[in-house]
Amino acid sequence: QVQLQESGPGLVKPSETLSLTCSVSGYSISSGFYWGWIRQAPGKGLEWIASIWHSGTTHYNPSLRSRVTISVDTSKNQFSLKMNSVTATDTAVYYCARVDCTNNSCYGASWGQGSLVTVSS
Amino acid sequence: QSVLTQPPSVSGAPGQKVTISCTGSDSNIGAGYHVHWYQQLPRTAPKLLIYGDYNRPSGVPDRFSGSKSGTSASLAISGLQADDEADYYCQSYDYRLSDWVFGGGTKLSVL
Repeated sequence: QVQLQESGPGLVKPSETLSLTCSVSGYSISSGFYWGWIRQAPGKGLEWIASIWHSGTTHYNPSLRSRVTISVDTSKNQFSLKMNSVTATDTAVYYCARVDCTNNSCYGASWGQGSLVTVSS
Repeated sequence: QSVLTQPPSVSGAPGQKVTISCTGSDSNIGAGYHVHWYQQLPRTAPKLLIYGDYNRPSGVPDRFSGSKSGTSASLAISGLQADDEADYYCQSYDYRLSDWVFGGGTKLSVL
């Protein structure tokens, strides 16, 4: 059974870059599937950020595309998220997920436990 | 304002059946894109409950069922149990936004 674990700083200063890593166990990223990031602001709903195919093909939330980079490191069985120029509105729990797709829509099949990132000076 | 509209809350007594609606538009659910549902227990990560409109992942009880018609989808939970108390989210894809879209979430209370 695939397990995912987020890691990264819990506090980021405004205008700086948020960096998170998701370590995957129980499955080799290079074997396939999409991998993605979803966030949830305190007391709010879910927001998809980005997804990446094991080969490196990416898909981004259009509203976040200019600030976000998702990447994969198959040698470490990890994938990562970088978000630059963060503001307080980026404060959220960030989840990494294994993404599966039907013939027309993708979804988060397995989720990490989440990592709270607070943007504050 | 979420692209998919869910009722903020629903409630039911143990053993009863509740239904949570998810209303979209012709650019997402109405365009035929599949709907997926998640359960988020308090202070935990979301868990996939239904995918592809009505399919249950292994381990999800058949008390949970999904359906879709037109621009709306529904999640039905029968035989309500106390540990079904959670937030439930629907999710689909919107071709105009080129984006995953979520509902705002529905808080289920078991009375």
